[in-house]
Amino acid sequence: GESVGLHLPTLSVQEGDNSIINCAYSNSASDYFIWYKQESGKGPQFIIDIRSNMDKRQGQRVTVLLNKTVKHLSLQIAATQPGDSAVYFCAETGSTGNQFYFGTGTSLTVIP
Amino acid sequence: DTEVTQTPKHLVMGMTNKKSLKCEQHMGHRAMYWYKQKAKKPPELMFVYSYEKLSINESVPSRFSPECPNSSLLNLHLHALQPEDSALYLCASGWQENSPLHFGNGTRLTVT
Repeated sequence: GESVGLHLPTLSVQEGDNSIINCAYSNSASDYFIWYKQESGKGPQFIIDIRSNMDKRQGQRVTVLLNKTVKHLSLQIAATQPGDSAVYFCAETGSTGNQFYFGTGTSLTVIP
Repeated sequence: DTEVTQTPKHLVMGMTNKKSLKCEQHMGHRAMYWYKQKAKKPPELMFVYSYEKLSINESVPSRFSPECPNSSLLNLHLHALQPEDSALYLCASGWQENSPLHFGNGTRLTVT
């Protein structure tokens, strides 16, 4: 499979602060990327996606940045809340577009 | 609640048993996926079905046998599993290539 990895396995932030989760990918041909949130006992939940023709996309309290030059993806969460505590995965499509490979994950803990 | 339903939620089976995992979605998605997730690890792609045909098999051992009876259902037949096959098995679906995957909450499988 493809190689998708995260820089930090764990992250702790104070409630109300902003969080930044990073991800590196290896396949320069990948053209679609997704961030997922996985809470304990549940399947991954879609947060936001971005295609390779964009470098930034914003959602509600979340922003994804894509730097194709260095093959780096980041997820920014504004005003982090206790409900944001979860494991966050980046995923990229493989060469055919219907294979999604996941990075190693970052566990986010929000401190009240 | 997820729109992808997986049954059973939990399954304990012996190494000589035959069992099946089931997945159902009614969103009209034409791509369906099986992933395997070990504790504290990212989901690993196993199989992809596109328009009810197997399009990707990520070199999965033959003791795992997928089946897609129709566009809404996906099964994973299990036979002669090993204890190391114990994991969370996730089903996902998507509209087409390069579209977000919607995950179920998984079947927690324990092989004794």
